[in-house]
Amino acid sequence: DGGITQSPKYLFRKEGQNVTLSCEQNLNHDAMYWYRQDPGQGLRLIYYSQIVNDFQKGDIAEGYSVSREKKESFPLTVTSAQKNPTAFYLCASSIFRMGTTEAFFGQGTRLTVV
Amino acid sequence: AQSVTQLDSHVSVSEGTPVLLRCNYSSSYSPSLFWYVQHPNKGLQLLLKYTSAATLVKGINGFEAEFKKSETSFHLTKPSAHMSDAAEYFCVVSSSSGSARQLTFGSGTQLTVLP
Repeated sequence: DGGITQSPKYLFRKEGQNVTLSCEQNLNHDAMYWYRQDPGQGLRLIYYSQIVNDFQKGDIAEGYSVSREKKESFPLTVTSAQKNPTAFYLCASSIFRMGTTEAFFGQGTRLTVV
Repeated sequence: AQSVTQLDSHVSVSEGTPVLLRCNYSSSYSPSLFWYVQHPNKGLQLLLKYTSAATLVKGINGFEAEFKKSETSFHLTKPSAHMSDAAEYFCVVSSSSGSARQLTFGSGTQLTVLP
């Protein structure tokens, strides 16, 4: 079955450490995204990529980095510069068809700083 | 520019009663509109979408939504709530520009279903 796989589901990090969240898709979609979700704040866009080897900052990119070396992979690194990294992180991909962009989501990674 | 406003952050209904989750939007383009559902610690699942065809859209699990251009609304309804409907619901607007950037999410509505 086609879909988006995020790993791990739960992740614990010590303060001052970098950590990388994995996102893989087999939908053959060009565009991929990372969102951060905090209680009562909906989804906020961290980074997005419309094509391989290209990515753009979203609304809250500070303290995060990404790469897009392969079409199917879009890993997110949460660096020590991110002041409050504890959150639920969602990866998505999208396809533009019939005049609209439709997004598909992974199951999320819950990151906790200890 | 585009935006989405979900008018209620929390909605509580009794099992078997109707559900109404409200969403208003603004968009410079002809918008496409979506409703997604999220169960705890899960990703978002598409419930239904409006893409300029029929204004009354039917989705999964008995949900439907009506696009009203004059009211810039896209409210989600279900005739009879089930306990399994308890979740968070997001209204999303997408422009027709095709840019990956043009997905705008509402802040979500938490639906509680009481026995």
